[in-house]
Amino acid sequence: QKEVEQDPGPLSVPEGAIVSLNCTYSNSAFQYFMWYRQYSRKGPELLMYTYSSGNKEDGRFTAQVDKSSKYISLFIRDSQPSDSATYLCAMCEDNDMRFGAGTRLTVKP
Amino acid sequence: DGGITQSPKYLFRKEGQNVTLSCEQNLNHDAMYWYRQDPGQGLRLIYYSHIVNDFQKGDIAEGYSVSREKKESFPLTVTSAQKNPTAFYLCASSISDQPQHFGDGTRLSIL
Repeated sequence: QKEVEQDPGPLSVPEGAIVSLNCTYSNSAFQYFMWYRQYSRKGPELLMYTYSSGNKEDGRFTAQVDKSSKYISLFIRDSQPSDSATYLCAMCEDNDMRFGAGTRLTVKP
Repeated sequence: DGGITQSPKYLFRKEGQNVTLSCEQNLNHDAMYWYRQDPGQGLRLIYYSHIVNDFQKGDIAEGYSVSREKKESFPLTVTSAQKNPTAFYLCASSISDQPQHFGDGTRLSIL
């Protein structure tokens, strides 16, 4: 079993849809949680990070962490074609960071 | 603008050749990292350094070497011992206990 599991997709949605991206993990020692967005041929760009269970909102993006279930989610509201990218979840314990494989998202106009 | 610069963007390696990938940051971050990204897999850690003149092996260090002579620079050498070098290589940096920030990567291919 991988430490971090993420459905690779691909996921295709129409413009304006709400997108839900998810990861599960096995290591209960992970202390903080991140979502990165990666465009083709580019490096990952940090979108959201959080230290605790609960929700964190930033514009159209909401990150949700449920430590009891070892489950994290990223919600994108009013999705745009410019949101088309690969989304990577990541989590960290004492500077040891682990990444999901990434979910490829396409938002169609 | 502060950031992480990786060069070159594309690199080709001949059989038996060592190649070096450059990573420079002007964010004043102490920690720097090298990852390898393959299709369908998460990023895998090759080497990391938390301080100048010190570095540690990551999960897949075999066939790679690094140096950390300056805070701003963390070059990665892919040696001929790395039998499957074709991948997208990403450099990152961070302040301790903070999320990592990435460069735009180097794509390495075999000729």
